[in-house]
Amino acid sequence: KQEVTQIPAALSVPEGENLVLNCSFTDSAIYNLQWFRQDPGKGLTSLLLIQSSQREQTSGRLNASLDKSSGRSTLYIAASQPGDSATYLCAGLNSGGSNYKLTFGKGTLLTVNP
Amino acid sequence: ETGVTQTPRHLVMGMTNKKSLKCEQHLGHNAMYWYKQSAKKPLELMFVYSLEERVENNSVPSRFSPECPNSSHLFLHLHTLQPEDSALYLCASSQGTGKNTEAFFGQGTRLTVV
Repeated sequence: KQEVTQIPAALSVPEGENLVLNCSFTDSAIYNLQWFRQDPGKGLTSLLLIQSSQREQTSGRLNASLDKSSGRSTLYIAASQPGDSATYLCAGLNSGGSNYKLTFGKGTLLTVNP
Repeated sequence: ETGVTQTPRHLVMGMTNKKSLKCEQHLGHNAMYWYKQSAKKPLELMFVYSLEERVENNSVPSRFSPECPNSSHLFLHLHTLQPEDSALYLCASSQGTGKNTEAFFGQGTRLTVV
């Protein structure tokens, strides 16, 4: 059974700092890994999706990497801004019988201070 | 505004009430999902519908009853809920349920059972 862990649970940084959020998974047979952003009381916004054949994906100030062999993914945020404050969730897609299942971590709560 | 719309955004109901959550997707997807997000827990998959057929029921109590009348609409009918059912209920959609699945989420319904 896939388990996804995100460390740290919470992170507070000053504005302008570069930062890395970590995601680890126990079953390396994932087909893709998605990073999401969640604002308080809101739904999930998809940020980046990395297919199992890829090593990284970039969108603006965000860069996500995937290392299946070590069971790790990272989300790098460059030049952080207060508007980046949110909870960041990672989820791995695995085969679950006839369907494929997303398994989520508990998330990292990021606070960027002005 | 996302391509997945959930109503209502907030719902307070008594344990003897019957209510329904609604989800509508405008992305042309053929799979829809209900997830439950409780405090300090990862998202929990409840139900999966593919081409309007339920393909996954993750041991969810019968007081939660899903309905998918067509590929664009998904409902979650609620009756005789318990206070521990209070949570954020998230709907998602994707194009298929295969290994290239990328999920898109709605804004959620915050449910409080009193």
